[in-house]
Amino acid sequence: DVKVTQSSRYLVKRTGEKVFLECVQDMDHENMFWYRQDPGLGLRLIYFSYDVKMKEKGDIPEGYSVSREKKERFSLILESASTNQTSMYLCASSQDRGLGQPQHFGDGTRLSIL
Amino acid sequence: GENVEQHPSTLSVQEGDSAVIKCTYSDSASNYFPWYKQELGKGPQLIIDIRSNVGEKKDQRIAVTLNKTAKHFSLHITETQPEDSAVYFCAASDPNTGNQFYFGTGTSLTVIP
Repeated sequence: DVKVTQSSRYLVKRTGEKVFLECVQDMDHENMFWYRQDPGLGLRLIYFSYDVKMKEKGDIPEGYSVSREKKERFSLILESASTNQTSMYLCASSQDRGLGQPQHFGDGTRLSIL
Repeated sequence: GENVEQHPSTLSVQEGDSAVIKCTYSDSASNYFPWYKQELGKGPQLIIDIRSNVGEKKDQRIAVTLNKTAKHFSLHITETQPEDSAVYFCAASDPNTGNQFYFGTGTSLTVIP
């Protein structure tokens, strides 16, 4: 089974802090994704990556950046955390590019910005 | 870009009854439609998917139907059980970016024992 592991289940940070969310997958997947999940809004894509050192903006990239130095690891960075970034963050991975492939999700990091 | 709408947002059924969740999409080029189940405190898990060259797919009590002409697809759960209670998300895949998904806003299903 694919395993996507997010480093923290719960995280509390203060406004203005730089925050790192880490995600690791163990299936050698090429694609990795970061979403945020808010009630009534579903899952919204922040950034994704098709390969090491490669990144593309999703629908809501403002205030975020990402890093993919190794194939198995994809990090989400909040450069200067703000209260409107309080949310559930989900990481996912999938195989290949081209025809649709299922995305496999981690269990999420619930981030609170005070 | 693609726009996926999902209805209803909440659904309550009696144990043993059927549940149907419907989604519509806007981009006729979308070609892959997964459904996810999210239980409390966990990430979404794939339960069934369908590709645009297939009209229906079934896996035990779960089935998905796709109408490409009308651009809608539906999840059908028969003989519901309390453990089916969860939030369900549909998604459509953007063929131009391969694996980018556009998600519906979710349906909270409650199965009443």
